Amino acid sequence: IAGITQAPTSQILAAGRRMTLRCTQDMRHNAMYWYRQDLGLGLRLIHYSNTAGTTGKGEVPDGYSVSRANTDDFPLTLASAVPSQTSVYFCASSDSSAGGSTQYFGPGTRLTVL
Amino acid sequence: GQNIDQPTEMTATEGAIVQINCTYQTSGFNGLFWYQQHAGEAPTFLSYNVLDGLEEKGRFSSFLSRSKGYSYLLLKELQMKDSASYLCAVRDSNYQLIWGAGTKLIIKP
Repeated sequence: IAGITQAPTSQILAAGRRMTLRCTQDMRHNAMYWYRQDLGLGLRLIHYSNTAGTTGKGEVPDGYSVSRANTDDFPLTLASAVPSQTSVYFCASSDSSAGGSTQYFGPGTRLTVL
Repeated sequence: GQNIDQPTEMTATEGAIVQINCTYQTSGFNGLFWYQQHAGEAPTFLSYNVLDGLEEKGRFSSFLSRSKGYSYLLLKELQMKDSASYLCAVRDSNYQLIWGAGTKLIIKP
């Protein structure tokens, strides 16, 4: 593994179903993030984690949950999917959350909720 | 509220120079980033500015004026592969990145 991987690449999901998007990084970065990207809007932060064992809410956290049991993994769960959660989801990581620390992005998961 | 403004779309000619502007209003400022995103791909880092002035990196340069809440990305000697969206992002007082909607750059031969 090199960098950040996400799974699945794409998914079509029925409304009301539970779904977990997976994210793994091998750079030993402390901070990890989940964003959604919708046409015409900037990337919007869903949840973040500054270090293993801690998480925080971003701009659009409702309907999503995360956990950070270890440094490498940061899964995002949709407990009961709704059509408005149709989006492209990007996981990112950075060495820290401060200053000029650059965020590196995974390839994304394209999710469609019907 | 926090706001990042960029033009939605720009068109330029191969071999030319283009300047993509970004204005911002955020709660605090801890640096400004430019990312490139090709269609269907992830954003990739281009540049970082935290002090006023110009940062040059090959064909790409980025400028920052904190007093004006303004930045631009300058792309020289445009190539077809530069066709992409360019995202401006500001790190706010909570050290979170606030993102603009991006500028889609179309390069014509």
